[in-house]
Amino acid sequence: NAGVTQTPKFRILKIGQSMTLQCAQDMNHNYMYWYRQDPGMGLKLIYYSVGAGITDKGEVPNGYNVSRSTTEYFPLRLELAAPSQTSVYFCASSLGTRKNTGELFFGEGSRLTVL
Amino acid sequence: GENVEQHPSTLSVQEGDSAVIKCTYSDSASNYFPWYKQELGKRPQLIIDIRSNVGEKKDQRIAVTLNKTAKHFSLHITETQPEDSAVYFCAASWAGGGADGLTFGKGTHLIIQP
Repeated sequence: NAGVTQTPKFRILKIGQSMTLQCAQDMNHNYMYWYRQDPGMGLKLIYYSVGAGITDKGEVPNGYNVSRSTTEYFPLRLELAAPSQTSVYFCASSLGTRKNTGELFFGEGSRLTVL
Repeated sequence: GENVEQHPSTLSVQEGDSAVIKCTYSDSASNYFPWYKQELGKRPQLIIDIRSNVGEKKDQRIAVTLNKTAKHFSLHITETQPEDSAVYFCAASWAGGGADGLTFGKGTHLIIQP
């Protein structure tokens, strides 16, 4: 199993540009998540999904959108890139059961810089 | 929502000594408390977790303790080695609102001095 695969690993965007971060998992996990990691700030949840066709906002959803058409894929879209979105983005998945979150499996991360 | 505080932000210890990282949480309904280790430039990986029905869990040189009354939990690393150098994150399950997810602390940068 490849686990959680994210692309691209690095990207530089200009202010106002749009892009999609891709995420795929081959573990048949129900739950998928997008986190952003800023220096000294830990991991902040952007969006999550508990299954195909179901998505919900996390702590910092503004400026992002997601979709979950299949169990395997959970892309994150930035519509109008802003410097505040410069960060490292991690996609993660878990088997997921209500109230007892299991182990999160993270992708390798995508470092995004907005100039 | 849940709020997780983690201390210290940086911890430097001599190789062979013990290291302790502490976290507090706010939501008394939280019942799952994992610890993740992130080496420089790598992805976070789970190293140990504890659920609210136990007070302590140990795995070789690492252990986690949980005090539900005080709403705090700690990571203990004994006989530290150079490969323990990393950023460690605690987290608590966000069990409220019918949603599933983790709230992370801000991380502790553990430095093992030779």
